[in-house]
Amino acid sequence: GAGVSQTPSNKVTEKGKYVELRCDPISGHTALYWYRQSLGQGPEFLIYFQGTGAADDSGLPNDRFFAVRPEGSVSTLKIQRTERGDSAVYLCASSSNPGSSYEQYFGPGTRLTVT
Amino acid sequence: GEDVEQSLFLSVREGDSSVINCTYTDSSSTYLYWYKQEPGAGLQLLTYIFSNMDMKQDQRLTVLLNKKDKHLSLRIADTQTGDSAIYFCAEGHGSSNTGKLIFGQGTTLQVKP
Repeated sequence: GAGVSQTPSNKVTEKGKYVELRCDPISGHTALYWYRQSLGQGPEFLIYFQGTGAADDSGLPNDRFFAVRPEGSVSTLKIQRTERGDSAVYLCASSSNPGSSYEQYFGPGTRLTVT
Repeated sequence: GEDVEQSLFLSVREGDSSVINCTYTDSSSTYLYWYKQEPGAGLQLLTYIFSNMDMKQDQRLTVLLNKKDKHLSLRIADTQTGDSAIYFCAEGHGSSNTGKLIFGQGTTLQVKP
């Protein structure tokens, strides 16, 4: 079956611009996670959705970052007033086990470059 | 706080065994994972071990867990050039409010023919 998909695969934007990154989870998965992976580092947790609600947004670095999942399926990560330090690969993962780290399936990521 | 540490680089010859090590700090971790990341590809779950186990074997992969020392290792037998990748150790919780994973910084495995 189809895995987690993310669009776009690459995004180049200028400093100060607004960007949206999209994640399509595996069908039927109620849990959705966003992680950020900087060059040479492991992924860092950003936010977790259970259904439509953000159950844990403790990893969002500041209020320029926001994510939504209005219908409990597709999620969009939104970054306002982008900064060069936001450049990273943004990974999405989904799971059928809400609140459990067990078996999270990752998408290929969106590589964001802020110039 | 939660922290996961790994050595950054390992080089082996094809056919040898590789051992990648990891230490973690959260004693309440329920699951410990090994993920593989190849260039341009997403994270692939290789294997995991439940915290009440001390060993798990899955074909060429052996995971050893020393819960007392909070030390996890991944042994790859008969390492092949296709095993060249970055390997991430991660800890997680089987049942919590979030299920978020805490990753190490990754170990780059280089396999020489």
